[in-house]
Amino acid sequence: DAGVIQSPRHEVTEMGQEVTLRCKPISGHDYLFWYRQTMMRGLELLIYFNNNVPIDDSGMPEDRFSAKMPNASFSTLKIQPSEPRDSAVYFCASRGLAGGYNEQFFGPGTRLTVL
Amino acid sequence: DQQVKQNSPSLSVQEGRISILNCDYTNSMFDYFLWYKKYPAEGPTFLISISSIKDKNEDGRFTVFLNKSAKHLSLHIVPSQPGDSAVYFCAASSLSGNQFYFGTGTSLTVIP
Repeated sequence: DAGVIQSPRHEVTEMGQEVTLRCKPISGHDYLFWYRQTMMRGLELLIYFNNNVPIDDSGMPEDRFSAKMPNASFSTLKIQPSEPRDSAVYFCASRGLAGGYNEQFFGPGTRLTVL
Repeated sequence: DQQVKQNSPSLSVQEGRISILNCDYTNSMFDYFLWYKKYPAEGPTFLISISSIKDKNEDGRFTVFLNKSAKHLSLHIVPSQPGDSAVYFCAASSLSGNQFYFGTGTSLTVIP
């Protein structure tokens, strides 16, 4: 398996623009998580899905953030409009029975810079 | 509010010596704890875990110790190697829960 795949790896955009981050979880995993990494807060959970259904989005900072999982193999995190304070590394992770539900497998992350 | 805290942002250790990374948590419902390791430009990878029924778990050079009464865990790396230089994240969960709560990370540098 290729592991969790994220795209793009780097994104530079201007304030006010829409940003879409993409994630393909490990095949067979039924949980998908979106995290944001910052120096101040470390790895911060934004939202997670179970069987494509959003379970907890309490970590989504503002209405500018939205996430979808239209099928078991694809999820998006959208920021509209983007702001400089959204600059961070965004990780997607998946978890499933194959991993014993005891660990989350992370993608390589998307480094977002909002100018 | 940060439920998992790593109060040391960085740590430097000589090669061959012991590295000790510390983590504190506040939620007494947590009963499963993990350490993740992260290299630059990569995602975190699982390193070692421990459940609350144990106070120690060992895997090669890596040992995690859990002190439930103090709500504290630590990761020991013996002997430390330059390839261990990375950011280490502590995480906590309940076995019945789905969320992992991560700390802010400790950047370990092992000096050759």
